[in-house]
Amino acid sequence: GENVEQHPSTLSVQEGDSAVIKCTYSDSASNYFPWYKQELGKRPQLIIDIRSNVGEKKDQRIAVTLNKTAKHFSLHITETQPEDSAVYFCAASNQGGSEKLVFGKGTKLTVNP
Amino acid sequence: EAQVTQNPRYLITVTGKKLTVTCSQNMNHEYMSWYRQDPGLGLRQIYYSMNVEVTDKGDVPEGYKVSRKEKRNFPLILESPSPNQTSLYFCASSLRADTQYFGPGTRLTVL
Repeated sequence: GENVEQHPSTLSVQEGDSAVIKCTYSDSASNYFPWYKQELGKRPQLIIDIRSNVGEKKDQRIAVTLNKTAKHFSLHITETQPEDSAVYFCAASNQGGSEKLVFGKGTKLTVNP
Repeated sequence: EAQVTQNPRYLITVTGKKLTVTCSQNMNHEYMSWYRQDPGLGLRQIYYSMNVEVTDKGDVPEGYKVSRKEKRNFPLILESPSPNQTSLYFCASSLRADTQYFGPGTRLTVL
């Protein structure tokens, strides 16, 4: 089955710097890759996603890139702000196939003022 | 208001005492799933359902049961809870296995 590895597990940056979180997946049939943000004590919420027919997607300060050949995808946050501090999860699923959604173990991002 | 609700939000119980955590969504979503969240292990899918009467195992189904008799409801049943099922549980729904709308979570402690 699918296995998703996420790195790093913790990341600390200064406000205004960029942050990059990387994930690799094992199942070449996976075609949907979402990223979730979970603030302390709250439920996870989708921040951006990408499908396998696209190499990059941007939404303001957040971008996701996908390399299907290498089976990895990354979250990029530019001009980080203290409110970006949270745990971020990547995930992968095979839509149209098993439809099972597998999450990475999460990255705790701390943005220092 | 579109939402996913879970009950109870907090539960302390004892080993072996059957319990049910309810999950309901009002968005007419076909896909529903249950996750458990443990420190350092992320979100692990327990069971998912692609439609009424269609359920399938996720990564950690042992010790859990689910049913999907109605589109809006997807209860999680622990027939004989054990301490290793102490965790934070999230229910989620979506149109397909895409944008997951998570419930508020249920914190379960099994003594």
